[in-house]
Parts: sequence; C-alpha cells; structure tokens
Amino acid sequence: SQELEQSPQSLIVQEGKNLTINCTSSKTLYGLYWYKQKYGEGLIFLMMLQKGGEEKSHEKITAKLDEKKQQSSLHITASQPSHAGIYLCGADKTGNTPLVFGKGTRLSVIA
Amino acid sequence: GAVVSQHPSWVICKSGTSVKIECRSLDFQATTMFWYRQFPKKSLMLMATSNEGSKATYEQGVEKDKFLINHASLTLSTLTVTSAHPEDSSFYICSARPFSGSEQFFGPGTRLTVL
Repeated sequence: SQELEQSPQSLIVQEGKNLTINCTSSKTLYGLYWYKQKYGEGLIFLMMLQKGGEEKSHEKITAKLDEKKQQSSLHITASQPSHAGIYLCGADKTGNTPLVFGKGTRLSVIA
Repeated sequence: GAVVSQHPSWVICKSGTSVKIECRSLDFQATTMFWYRQFPKKSLMLMATSNEGSKATYEQGVEKDKFLINHASLTLSTLTVTSAHPEDSSFYICSARPFSGSEQFFGPGTRLTVL
C-alpha cells in the first residue's frame, strides 16, 4: 500500500524565520500535491508537482519534487502569522487514483 | 477555476437519524468523485470512490451500508450517513476529478455532529 510520511508533525517558528516540511513516499508517484488547511475548514490548494526535479514557487512558498518523484519539500521563507495552519501533502499514484494524504504538519508562527 | 461545493457546510443531528451531504462540481463534469473524512487533528482518510452511474468503491473498513453513496449525475454525488451515531461525528470532504484531467478539486467540507 502507498505510504506517505510527512515530517515534522508539528512546527513552531518565530515570525520571519524559514522552515521546511518534508513528504516522502515509499513508491514513485505520478504527482504530488500540497495543501494548506485551517482547522475545521476545507483545503487550500498550494501547488502540484508532476515532473521529477520540478520546483514551483508562489509568493514565499516553494515546493520541490525530487528526480525519483518520491520525495517533496515545502519551504516557506520569512514566515508570517498568516502561514499558520496544517500543511498536507497528497500523493497521486497513477493520475487516475484518489489522493492519499500524509498525516499533516501543524505550523504555528509566533511573533 | 474548477469549483466544488458541499451542502450543508455543517449539520447537527440526533443519534439514529440519517444525514445526506451533497457534493457538486459547479463548472465541470466529474465522472469520479471521492469522499474523505477527517477526525480532529488527523489527516484526511479516503472513504470511497464515487463513480457516475455505477456503484461506489469503498475503502477497507468503511461500511457501505452505513455510508450510502449515490453519484446520480456528472455534477452531483451524495453521501448519506444512515442511523448516525456520535462516533460518526467528523469533517467530511469531497473532491471531484474532471472528465479530462488528473487533478482533484476539493469541496469546503461538511462538519457533522451527532448528538
């Protein structure tokens, strides 16, 4: 079965600091998705990565997918309180299967 | 962009009653929709895959007689929690995949509280 490990489980950073969240799959993926979620709310789509070695950025958030398409990282530069929330990585095995999610990383940003 | 809606956004019901949750793709057709549930401080767990015009495929451990899924059209899937109990209280999220394309678009979720 697909295993998706996400680390760390929780993270507390000071405002302005950089941080990285990792997501590792036991198998090669078709695609890797990153979402943000506020507790009790829906998912906010951040980025989708499909090509090995791909890197995408949006504002202060950068996501990378390794060449083997098994590991992805999400990097936030100069974190702000608005970045706080739960970050979820979702794995797409074949492009035709439902996303399987990691356990999530709870990010808190303190002033 | 592709939009998926869910209704209701929250519902409170008495134990033993049934609750229906709707998932609609507003600006695209979806032959496949997915239902997830999320417990507090936990990740999303796939419950079932809903296929238009055919029976849903349930994940292991999900009771098909308790969680009835109907995908009657290319834009609507419904999840009915039958004879709900307090342990069914959860956040239910649906997603839809367009007829052409691999990306999944998620609804805003429905919070179910069973008293």
